[in-house]
Amino acid sequence: KQEVTQIPAALSVPEGENLVLNCSFTDSAIYNLQWFRQDPGKGLTSLLLIQSSQREQTSGRLNASLDKSSGRSTLYIAASQPGDSATYLCAVSMSGYSTLTFGKGTMLLVSP
Amino acid sequence: NAGVTQTPKFQVLKTGQSMTLQCAQDMNHNSMYWYRQDPGMGLRLIYYSASEGTTDKGEVPNGYNVSRLNKREFSLRLESAAPSQTSVYFCASSVETGKAFFGQGTRLTVV
Repeated sequence: KQEVTQIPAALSVPEGENLVLNCSFTDSAIYNLQWFRQDPGKGLTSLLLIQSSQREQTSGRLNASLDKSSGRSTLYIAASQPGDSATYLCAVSMSGYSTLTFGKGTMLLVSP
Repeated sequence: NAGVTQTPKFQVLKTGQSMTLQCAQDMNHNSMYWYRQDPGMGLRLIYYSASEGTTDKGEVPNGYNVSRLNKREFSLRLESAAPSQTSVYFCASSVETGKAFFGQGTRLTVV
């Protein structure tokens, strides 16, 4: 059974710092991996999708990398801002038709 | 640009009552999902539908039923609500190999 772990569970940083969120998964035979953002009381928004054949994806200040063989992904946030405060979740899919298995998330607080 | 729409947004039920959570998507996605989110447990899959006319159990299906009414709509029914079903419920849709899109959630309390 696929298990997804996110470290740290919570992170507090001052504005302007670059930071890295970690995600690991037990079964490396994934099809793709997604990083999501969830604001308090809201739904999830997909930030980045990395197919298993890719090594990284970038969107603005966000960069996600994937090392499938070692079962790891990182989400890098450059020059963090208070508006980045949210919970970040990663999720993996084992095939194009399968469901997502989620980690429990990293709660990020960026202080002005 | 509605995306995935869930109704209701909030609901309080008494133990033993029944209700249906509604979900509709306007992106022509084949696949739809119901998840529940609980503190410390993360998101867990209840049921999913890979295409119109098919449904399958997820990780925590007990106490729930689903209906894929058409390509747009996927409903979740609680036949006899229990306090253990107090949770936030999310509906999602996706294309195969693609991004998943989530609704805003239904916050359900069973007393």
